[in-house]
Amino acid sequence: EVQLVESGGGLVQPGGSLRLSCAASGFIFSSYSMNWVRQAPGEGLEWVAYISSGSSSIYYADSVKGRFTISRDNAENSLYLQMSSLRGDDTAVYYCARDRGGWTGYNDYWGQGTLVTVSS
Amino acid sequence: QSVLTQPPSVSGAPGQRVTISCTGSSSNIGADYVVHWYQQLPGTAPKLLIYGNSNRPSGVPDRFSGSKSGTSASLAITGLQAEDEADYYCQSFDTNLSALFGGGTKLTVL
Repeated sequence: EVQLVESGGGLVQPGGSLRLSCAASGFIFSSYSMNWVRQAPGEGLEWVAYISSGSSSIYYADSVKGRFTISRDNAENSLYLQMSSLRGDDTAVYYCARDRGGWTGYNDYWGQGTLVTVSS
Repeated sequence: QSVLTQPPSVSGAPGQRVTISCTGSSSNIGADYVVHWYQQLPGTAPKLLIYGNSNRPSGVPDRFSGSKSGTSASLAITGLQAEDEADYYCQSFDTNLSALFGGGTKLTVL
């Protein structure tokens, strides 16, 4: 069974940093691209970042470019999102999602999300 | 304001048919990028509903169908059921290497 479990969320002050993790199981993690997608409270979905299976292709939403870094450890079956210079509008539930088909592919499995709250 | 435009809400009675539109532009849907659709039930993670414009993953009822034409795409739901009440999102891609989600549509079953 495919499972994606996010962790690392919490309360952080504006300007602070946080590292999210996504533990993958039930599939060959190293064969799949991955995405981070976030959802602010009461709002819609927003794509955050993409990483290909071997980390050769990485893309970011303009809203996080230069502040967030996506990475993965295929040996540990884990996906990461390093977030810095956090702002209030980064407050959201952050989902990791498995990507089928590479860039322009679809997200066929999603984690349950981890809440990040940026507030003083 | 999302680059992909969806109606904020749609509604229908049980058994009826509803459609949800997703309108983009020549730099995204119109640039021949595929469209995917997701369903999000209250308090849960999104679930893949339609991929590659019109394909249903296994387990998704054939009451759900997708189509794409030009710079727009549509999700149709026939034989509306109470359990279909959820938020629906389209997704596509842009020539500037961005993935895009529509603003979401809340479906109410009357």
